Amino acid sequence: EAGVTQFPSHSVIEKGQTVTLRCDPISGHDNLYWYRRVMGKEIKFLLHFVKESKQDESGMPNNRFLAERTGGTYSTLKVQPAELEDSGVYFCASSLRMNTEAFFGQGTRLTVV
Amino acid sequence: GENVEQHPSTLSVQEGDSAVIKCTYSDSASNYFPWYKQELGKRPQLIIDIRSNVGEKKDQRIAVTLNKTAKHFSLHITETQPEDSAVYFCAASSGSSGDKLTFGTGTRLAVRP
Repeated sequence: EAGVTQFPSHSVIEKGQTVTLRCDPISGHDNLYWYRRVMGKEIKFLLHFVKESKQDESGMPNNRFLAERTGGTYSTLKVQPAELEDSGVYFCASSLRMNTEAFFGQGTRLTVV
Repeated sequence: GENVEQHPSTLSVQEGDSAVIKCTYSDSASNYFPWYKQELGKRPQLIIDIRSNVGEKKDQRIAVTLNKTAKHFSLHITETQPEDSAVYFCAASSGSSGDKLTFGTGTRLAVRP
């Protein structure tokens, strides 16, 4: 069974540009989460989808971040325009049911220069 | 919201010795406490978890203890091996906050051969 996959693994963009991250959860997992780890700090929650609906987006930093989950399958996280402080590793995770094991992707390392 | 503190930030032990990582949480409604291990360049992976109706759980060389009254939980690794070297994250979640995970800042464990 394929795990959670994220694309790209690395992205280097200039300040002001747009970047779109993609996450493919484990097939059949209705719950999909986005997290971010800024250098040396904790992994912080961004948002949670249940199927195609946003269950909780309380962790989204500002309106430069837009997450979608088309048809309840894969999800995208767009940052537009990117700022230097957006640099970090963005993780996606999925779970079958709430409050059960969340399976993480390998992350996308975003560097804004 | 929930706040999770994790100590120590770095830990170096001799192969064969034990390692202990401690976390405290603030939200008394938290009821699920997973531990993730992230090896260099790899995805975070669940190694053990505990729910609030249990005080201790063990899986081979790994054990987790939970003290609900004091709001702290700990990871114990016995007979450490070089392959235990990684960053370990504790986390907490509760049904009242959806099931988003609130992570600690991570502990970098180095096992010296």
